[in-house]
Amino acid sequence: AQKITQTQPGMFVQEKEAVTLDCTYDTSDQSYGLFWYKQPSSGEMIFLIYQGSYDEQNATEGRYSLNFQKARKSANLVISASQLGDSAMYFCAMREGLHQAGTALIFGKGTTLSVSS
Amino acid sequence: EADIYQTPRYLVIGTGKKITLECSQTMGHDKMYWYQQDPGMELHLIHYSYGVNSTEKGDLSSESTVSRIRTEHFPLTLESARPSHTSQYLCASSIERPGETQYFGPGTRLLVL
Repeated sequence: AQKITQTQPGMFVQEKEAVTLDCTYDTSDQSYGLFWYKQPSSGEMIFLIYQGSYDEQNATEGRYSLNFQKARKSANLVISASQLGDSAMYFCAMREGLHQAGTALIFGKGTTLSVSS
Repeated sequence: EADIYQTPRYLVIGTGKKITLECSQTMGHDKMYWYQQDPGMELHLIHYSYGVNSTEKGDLSSESTVSRIRTEHFPLTLESARPSHTSQYLCASSIERPGETQYFGPGTRLLVL
């Protein structure tokens, strides 16, 4: 079974609009972390935002916020006021067993975001 | 954040050649990782290290090998490159908090002819 599911292969948005990228996850651990990364066409992976399973408030970093709904096991990324430079592939990732050594990041298949003027 | 460097950025090489992909970081992070990513696909962990002289294989089976003789350096070697090794290889290192966030290098795009 997929641990991380991103159901939107592609999303299209106009500049200055907000966009939500969906991510659901599957784990039986109580302690886990959720991450979002951005990958432009140049190929590097850029860390955007982190949410721990015990964090009570949704994480925010500038124009990025993470809509964390623990009961639904969803961790959607919200980008406010989209910019042309936001066009990229976005990956949701999870690390289970947050307090253990030896646990890897598990990535979803990604969502391609295209921002138009 | 981590400063992670990878060289070369692009490599085109013939079948059977030995190649080493370099990865270094300047932040003194103990934990480092190698991922393989085919175009438009998700990343898969192929190797990781939790410190000097510590290396482990990741979830995705790989014919590559790694070494960790110095904290800052985590090279990946393919003894005999094949077309099936064509992919992007991304190196990362992680900070302890929050959640051992991983920071990535720019990647190496490998094409084996």
